[in-house]
Amino acid sequence: QLQLQESGPGLVKPSETLSLTCTVSGDSISTSSYYWGWIRQPPGKGLEWIGSIHYSGNTYFNPSLESRVTISVDTSKNQFSLKLSSVTAADTAVYFCARLNYSSGRRVDPWGQGTLATVSS
Amino acid sequence: QSVLTQPPSVSGAPGQRVTISCTGSNSNIGAGYVVHWYQQLPGTAPKLLIYGNINRPSGVPDRFSGSKSGTSASLAITGLQAEDEANYYCQSYDGGLSSVVFGGGTKLTVL
Repeated sequence: QLQLQESGPGLVKPSETLSLTCTVSGDSISTSSYYWGWIRQPPGKGLEWIGSIHYSGNTYFNPSLESRVTISVDTSKNQFSLKLSSVTAADTAVYFCARLNYSSGRRVDPWGQGTLATVSS
Repeated sequence: QSVLTQPPSVSGAPGQRVTISCTGSNSNIGAGYVVHWYQQLPGTAPKLLIYGNINRPSGVPDRFSGSKSGTSASLAITGLQAEDEANYYCQSYDGGLSSVVFGGGTKLTVL
């Protein structure tokens, strides 16, 4: 059964870079049919797609975040990672990693359990 | 403000039927992009509930159904149960924004 698990610091200082990693288990990340992505949810608010990456390195980003986002993939470790630069309090959120099926309307399934990243000095 | 518009809340008594709307535009739902629905129980990650407008993943009860017409989509839940109390989100793709987009979410309360 495919599982995804986020990891990374829970506290980041303003203006610094938030870095998270998602470890995929139960299947290879090098599957041509799927993209791997990040979605976030500020406390008490809705969901926001951040970006997606294919194992080949092809990426798509939310235009509103694109200038601050880097997503990379490490097929040898079956992991992909998120870097969000110049963070502010508005970037405080639960960050989910997930698999996206771009051949099926970009549906998101499954999701990781999520990790809370707080931006505070 | 979300690209896809959902009512903030809906409610119903056990056994009743409720619907949750998801209103988009001609650059997303109206352009033919499919709609997916997710259920998020308190403190957990979202779970895929309906995909491709009308399809249920295995394990999802047939009390849940989806539909799409024009620039809108709907999620219907029949035979409401206490365990259905959750937040529900619609999702699609916006060709104008070149972005995966979500609705703002709807909180379902079972009275």
